[in-house]
Amino acid sequence: GAVVSQHPSRVICKSGTSVKIECRSLDFQATTMFWYRQFPKQSLMLMATSNEGSKATYEQGVEKDKFLINHASLTLSTLTVTSAHPEDSSFYICSARHKSYEQYFGPGTRLTVT
Amino acid sequence: DQQVKQNSPSLSVQEGRISILNCDYTNSMFDYFLWYKKYPAEGPTFLISISSIKDKNEDGRFTVFLNKSAKHLSLHIVPSQPGDSAVYFCAASADFNKFYFGSGTKLNVKP
Repeated sequence: GAVVSQHPSRVICKSGTSVKIECRSLDFQATTMFWYRQFPKQSLMLMATSNEGSKATYEQGVEKDKFLINHASLTLSTLTVTSAHPEDSSFYICSARHKSYEQYFGPGTRLTVT
Repeated sequence: DQQVKQNSPSLSVQEGRISILNCDYTNSMFDYFLWYKKYPAEGPTFLISISSIKDKNEDGRFTVFLNKSAKHLSLHIVPSQPGDSAVYFCAASADFNKFYFGSGTKLNVKP
């Protein structure tokens, strides 16, 4: 199957700083990438959908100025958590859609804000 | 308001027996359903799907059943193997763009 990578896998940052998470599709071109957030023992919650070369579409309740998404190429999307706070601590997962409906997920990034 | 629910957070099954994982949804517009499997520290991987025009889809040891009138789907694994131990998520979509996920069921297959 298609491979999606995320970097870093874990990050610890201080409150008030910004953190960038990268999502790459390694062996296919992803016209659409998705960013999810997962709280412990809860479902994956879609944060935003990004299409290459256009602005991301954010889900209701997700602050677009806080979670900056850039989809600069067909193989790379980045999520930047700006001015991070402890409540932003979570597991962030990206997925990339190759064609039709199937989404390929990255391994996730564990963000801890101290 | 969670549109996709997996009410069993965990399930334990003996190796060789059947595992049945359940999922309920509330939105009648959903017409495509997926099951994902997730190991610790890894992203979810696609397992099997079903569209609303079918009520059953089979792939090897995995079968998904869809009951549209009950807004219920289930994943059957037969026979269960220890390597199947993982968290299973169901997901539903009305437009292939936005998928709604359940909270997952942790399956433990005992040798």
